[in-house]
Amino acid sequence: GAVVSQHPSWVICKSGTSVKIECRSLDFQATTMFWYRQFPKQSLMLMATSNEGSKATYEQGVEKDKFLINHASLTLSTLTVTSAHPEDSSFYICSARDPLADYYEQYFGPGTRLTVT
Amino acid sequence: GQQLNQSPQSMFIQEGEDVSMNCTSSSIFNTWLWYKQDPGEGPVLLIALYKAGELTSNGRLTAQFGITRKDSFLNISASIPSDVGIYFCAGGDAGNNRKLIWGLGTSLAVNP
Repeated sequence: GAVVSQHPSWVICKSGTSVKIECRSLDFQATTMFWYRQFPKQSLMLMATSNEGSKATYEQGVEKDKFLINHASLTLSTLTVTSAHPEDSSFYICSARDPLADYYEQYFGPGTRLTVT
Repeated sequence: GQQLNQSPQSMFIQEGEDVSMNCTSSSIFNTWLWYKQDPGEGPVLLIALYKAGELTSNGRLTAQFGITRKDSFLNISASIPSDVGIYFCAGGDAGNNRKLIWGLGTSLAVNP
């Protein structure tokens, strides 16, 4: 149980374009999803917390107009990187909280590798 | 943001050896979680700890929730090549909007 998928697994885009990443909980309903960014050989950095039906809560220093998050259903959250630039290249990982599990447990998707050229 | 002190930063061991890594914090946590991340993949939850002093096993993995609630350790017995990866600890912080606070990771390499 507690399976989370992400799509696409990798994407290459040109500078100035926008990219949308999808995160789905496959076998449970996730009222809360999280978006992380990870640089090579570093830990996970929380970008935002997404609650179904409400606005996402962004961490300090994360531009909400650049990283648009939508959590329109209990099984889907999307992250859109708008007007992407090379410095946005990174590994983006989503996670979801299973309401039937312990509050702090998060189940992760396989990640999306974004490369902006 | 806040991060946990995780050590060692990296380990290179022989297959069959036991491994021990730990995580410490200046804050008290309600929950300790241990994850493993393979290259190019998302982290996978290995063990979750909910009570101070709790000792929990998952196959060859054993983890403990420190009695002070400020630390946790993870042991891997009889390591095998597929144990290779990065191990992250994460603490559930009730006082920080109930977020997960992450360690910097321990990179494990196993020589067959």
